[in-house]
Order: sequence, then structure tokens, then C-alpha cells
Amino acid sequence: AQKITQTQPGMFVQEKEAVTLDCTYDTSDQSYGLFWYKQPSSGEMIFLIYQGSYDEQNATEGRYSLNFQKARKSANLVISASQLGDSAMYFCAMREGPNRDDKIIFGKGTRLHILP
Amino acid sequence: ETGVTQTPRHLVMGMTNKKSLKCEQHLGHNAMYWYKQSAKKPLELMFVYNFKEQTENNSVPSRFSPECPNSSHLFLHLHTLQPEDSALYLCASSQSAGWRNEQFFGPGTRLTVL
Repeated sequence: AQKITQTQPGMFVQEKEAVTLDCTYDTSDQSYGLFWYKQPSSGEMIFLIYQGSYDEQNATEGRYSLNFQKARKSANLVISASQLGDSAMYFCAMREGPNRDDKIIFGKGTRLHILP
Repeated sequence: ETGVTQTPRHLVMGMTNKKSLKCEQHLGHNAMYWYKQSAKKPLELMFVYNFKEQTENNSVPSRFSPECPNSSHLFLHLHTLQPEDSALYLCASSQSAGWRNEQFFGPGTRLTVL
């Protein structure tokens, strides 16, 4: 079974609209961390936002917020007021608890296209 | 320079060549990572170094040989590669190999094996 599932291979969104990128995860650990990364066409992976499994509030970083629904094992990324520069691949990732191997497991990504 | 740098950015090599990829981080981090990103596949972790010690080898073929001389530098030595090894190779670093620490990535080396 996949640990990280991103069901949207591609999305097209009008500039200035809000965007929600879906991510579900699978783990039996109580302690884990969830990450979102952005990869523009240049190739560099850019860290966007982090959510810890014990964090009570949803993480926010500027225009990025993480809609964390623990019971549903869902960690969707919300981008408010999208911009043309947001066009990129977006990866959801998870690192399981401190007793696991030090691995971040990545999903297959969602390619986001922002339309002018 | 700041952040994580990788050289070269692009590399074309034959199957009999020997080459090395270099990664350098200027963030004062203690953990460094090599990832492979192939088309239409999730990012794959290859190696993890924590305080210069290799803590993870994710079943990587021996034709890939990592080297971490200090916490700031990481190399990936390549020899007798196969065409299916063509991919984007990403280096990353983090404060330490702890589960709460986000990783910062370099721009990657686009490798083509002929």
C-alpha cells in the first residue's frame, strides 16, 4: 500500500483563486511529520510547510496552509490567492516516528498550472 | 553562497565512465541525503548521512558509492551506470536526522547515461 497518496496528477486553476491539493497518508505511528514541497521546472525542491501529528492547530506559512484532518489521515495543502509563479509540481511527504528509519516518503506529486 | 549547492547541474556519461556528483551545504546542518527522481516515479531516498556516518542505504546498487568527508560535503561516485540510472539526483540537508526536521534541497544534477 502506498504511504502517501496524491490523487490529482494535474490541476488547472485560474490566477487569484484558492487551490487545494489533496494528500492522504498511511501510518500506524502516533508520532509523525507531514511536509509539502514545491518543485518548479528548475528542479529544486522548495520546502513549504510542516505539520506535526501532535500539533493541534493547522500549520500556516503565508499563503500556504495545511488542512490537517488526523482521523481521516488527510493533509491537504491550501494555497490562497494563487499566482502564476505557483505553477509547479507539489509533493506531499511524511516522516514517520522517531523509532523509524530516517526516511521521508514522498507522494507522486500534483502538477499545478495557474492560468492567467 | 547560501543553501544547498550541487555540481554539475547537468551530466552526460557513457556506461563505462566514472564520474562524481558533488553537494555542499552552507546551512550548518548535520544530516545530508541523496535522492533519485525518475520520470513518473516518486522521489526515492538513496543514502542518509548523519554526523558524517551513513545511517541509511536504501538498497542502492553498488555502482553508486556515496562519500561524506564532513558535514558540509557529500559526494556520489558513479561507475558503470546503466541507461535506467538516468534521472535527476537531488541532494538535501537537515539540521539533524530527526523526524521533525525539514530537509532543504539543492537544485539537482540532471544525469543522462548513454
